[in-house]
Amino acid sequence: DAGVIQSPRHEVTEMGQEVTLRCKPISGHNSLFWYRQTMMRGLELLIYFNNNVPIDDSGMPEDRFSAKMPNASFSTLKIQPSEPRDSAVYFCASSYGGQATEAFFGQGTRLTVV
Amino acid sequence: AQRVTQPEKLLSVFKGAPVELKCNYSYSGSPELFWYVQYSRQRLQLLLRHISRESIKGFTADLNKGETSFHLKKPFAQEEDSAMYYCALNGGYNKLIFGAGTRLAVHP
Repeated sequence: DAGVIQSPRHEVTEMGQEVTLRCKPISGHNSLFWYRQTMMRGLELLIYFNNNVPIDDSGMPEDRFSAKMPNASFSTLKIQPSEPRDSAVYFCASSYGGQATEAFFGQGTRLTVV
Repeated sequence: AQRVTQPEKLLSVFKGAPVELKCNYSYSGSPELFWYVQYSRQRLQLLLRHISRESIKGFTADLNKGETSFHLKKPFAQEEDSAMYYCALNGGYNKLIFGAGTRLAVHP
């Protein structure tokens, strides 16, 4: 298994444009998480899904952010419209339910909004 | 409130010196705690979890419920230990709450 796969690895976009980040979790995992990493705030949980259902999106910063998981093998995080303060590294992670389960992280998408 | 605190942004030591990366948590209930590590240009990965009570790459961490701490220790640091270390708490549904991270720099 190639692990959690994120695309693109790097994204540079202009303010106001729509950005879509993609994630393919590890096959068989039933939980998926989106995190944002910045120097100022560290790793913040944005949203997580369990069995494709959003469980908690309280970490999503604004209505400009939305996430979907149409099936067990794919999730997207969309920012519309994007702003310079959205610049960060966005990580997707997946895990399989159980006690103290390990979360497996993707390589991340480095987003720069200019 | 569920919170993880790592008070040190940077810990700089020489090779062979002991290392302790501090982590304190706030959680009502029985906590599940982890240490994750991110080496340069690599993805974030699990280092160890308190439930396993294991030593990985010479690192150990003991859960101290009285002090609400889960400090990461290694008696003799190696240069290849240089990385970003994150303490994390299972906030339910295996949702991980991370501390701000500590960068460990081991100098020759």
